[in-house]
Amino acid sequence: KNEVEQSPQNLTAQEGEFITINCSYSVGISALHWLQQHPGGGIVSLFMLSSGKKKHGRLIATINIQEKHSSLHITASHPRDSAVYICAVKLSGSARQLTFGSGTQLTVLP
Amino acid sequence: DGGITQSPKYLFRKEGQNVTLSCEQNLNHDAMYWYRQDPGQGLRLIYYSQIVNDFQKGDIAEGYSVSREKKESFPLTVTSAQKNPTAFYLCASSISRGNTGELFFGEGSRLTVL
Repeated sequence: KNEVEQSPQNLTAQEGEFITINCSYSVGISALHWLQQHPGGGIVSLFMLSSGKKKHGRLIATINIQEKHSSLHITASHPRDSAVYICAVKLSGSARQLTFGSGTQLTVLP
Repeated sequence: DGGITQSPKYLFRKEGQNVTLSCEQNLNHDAMYWYRQDPGQGLRLIYYSQIVNDFQKGDIAEGYSVSREKKESFPLTVTSAQKNPTAFYLCASSISRGNTGELFFGEGSRLTVL
């Protein structure tokens, strides 16, 4: 079983819709990252959080440490939000930098 | 502007050939990483380096080699010993390895074995 599970794997939405992508992990972590991978392959960091909630523009990320769960929300979605969204965790006490989920492919239709 | 530059973006290799992927950063970061991405899978760590002249194997180091002679450079060589080298390769850096801070990624290099 993967230590980091994302759902859904694929998501198609209409422009303007509210979108939620989920990430669950099975072990203790010190931090969780949300990343965005563009169609060309480059990756940018959206959020790093260890508790609570962060907001940047139309993006909101939340984490519940007790439930080992995080969500990424996109309000008023736009076709330019179409990308792969990746959850990654820094495992507590692990020598590795990050463990990555397999990503959620989001397509926003005009 | 500060960032990470990977080259080439696309590379084709014949079986039995070694190829080297370049990764350069001007962020003054100590830690650098190489990841491999295959369809439907999460990124997997190949090698990482915390400091110049030091590097460590990641989860899938077999068939790969790296060097870290300069702080800003961390090239990855895909050797002929790598049995399934066709993949997308991403280089990343962070301020330091022990830090849980932000990772910065390059645009990636797509290697195809003919």
